[in-house]
Amino acid sequence: QKEVEQNSGPLSVPEGAIASLNCTYSDRVSQSFFWYRQYSGKSPELIMSIYSNGDKEDGRFTAQLNKASQYVSLLIRDSQPSDSATYLCAVNPDVGYSTLTFGKGTMLLVSP
Amino acid sequence: EAGVTQFPSHSVIEKGQTVTLRCDPISGHDNLYWYRRVMGKEIKFLLHFVKESKQDESGMPNNRFLAERTGGTYSTLKVQPAELEDSGVYFCASSQGQANGAFFGQGTRLTVV
Repeated sequence: QKEVEQNSGPLSVPEGAIASLNCTYSDRVSQSFFWYRQYSGKSPELIMSIYSNGDKEDGRFTAQLNKASQYVSLLIRDSQPSDSATYLCAVNPDVGYSTLTFGKGTMLLVSP
Repeated sequence: EAGVTQFPSHSVIEKGQTVTLRCDPISGHDNLYWYRRVMGKEIKFLLHFVKESKQDESGMPNNRFLAERTGGTYSTLKVQPAELEDSGVYFCASSQGQANGAFFGQGTRLTVV
């Protein structure tokens, strides 16, 4: 069964620090990788997508992908209390497949 | 531009009753997905439409669930008859391309009592 694993947390970091969120996936042929942010009681919000090995930066966010290790991470620089949320890793499992397999999410708490 | 909208936001029904959830995707998005999150579990895929056609319904739990997308615009998900284990948050999402990340609605929290 195809799985996406995340540490449930909470991951606690002080304001201004770098938060590092990690995700591993089981299906080696996975093609697309996404990070969603979900505030309590709200909808998941797409914040990053990455498709090839390496780093992708967007503002304070950097997604890192290593397909050989089946590992994807999200770095949040200069963390703010407003970044406190659950971060969901999602994987598009196959070529031509557009549905997403989600992890359970990691709760991030940024303290002022 | 309006995002994905879902109705109702909450629904409490008794076991054995019928409930219909509605989703309006982002305008122009051919791909529409239904997902569900039950308490303590990850978000799981239910169904994928491309326009009005069911592309993949491998995640539908059983034949008590019926999804439609007449005309390729909004979609409905009907649960009939509802069981206790159907409780959870039902998310709808839409996307343009098939490899793109999807945009989610706020969800419908369904409670079956």
